[in-house]
Amino acid sequence: GQNIDQPTEMTATEGAIVQINCTYQTSGFNGLFWYQQHAGEAPTFLSYNVLDGLEEKGRFSSFLSRSKGYSYLLLKELQMKDSASYLCAVRDHGQNFVFGPGTRLSVLP
Amino acid sequence: DGGITQSPKYLFRKEGQNVTLSCEQNLNHDAMYWYRQDPGQGLRLIYYSQIVNDFQKGDIAEGYSVSREKKESFPLTVTSAQKNPTAFYLCASSIGASGNVEQFFGPGTRLTVL
Repeated sequence: GQNIDQPTEMTATEGAIVQINCTYQTSGFNGLFWYQQHAGEAPTFLSYNVLDGLEEKGRFSSFLSRSKGYSYLLLKELQMKDSASYLCAVRDHGQNFVFGPGTRLSVLP
Repeated sequence: DGGITQSPKYLFRKEGQNVTLSCEQNLNHDAMYWYRQDPGQGLRLIYYSQIVNDFQKGDIAEGYSVSREKKESFPLTVTSAQKNPTAFYLCASSIGASGNVEQFFGPGTRLTVL
């Protein structure tokens, strides 16, 4: 079966660092994606990992371990505008994407 | 400007009526997708299409139908057979090749069935 797990909610303080974890069990693996979604809006692409290791993109970094079925999204120097849901998605085979339930992050002043 | 458009943004229908949600893209993407999102939950795949005149069922296809007669368009019909149609519907597209083929999402249609 297909299963992706993420924490439901997280809270952090402005200026801090937060790590959002994602574990997955899918029938195949062709890459892992992180998306940001503000309430009532469409998801926007943040990062992509297909090989093990860390991908850094400004304040955001994403890590992947394929052997462990594990990824995390690291957000540094948190800003109020980072309050949103963060979706982990795996492309299993072909063009099918499987999404996790999302993690709602609240950034407090 | 290239992108994906969905219309309308808000849609109200009476129970028992079929309704069609529009999705158009001018990104020249081969693959298109329909997702449903319920409050506080992630995205669930309804249908996807990798090429014109071909589409596959996703995890929750019952009560929905699609067509892909043109590369640019992938309309979704919510039929009266769908038991709980009230939700936020998102259309997405991707290039369709391997590699970093992230999905681009439209703004979504919020459907409310009264």
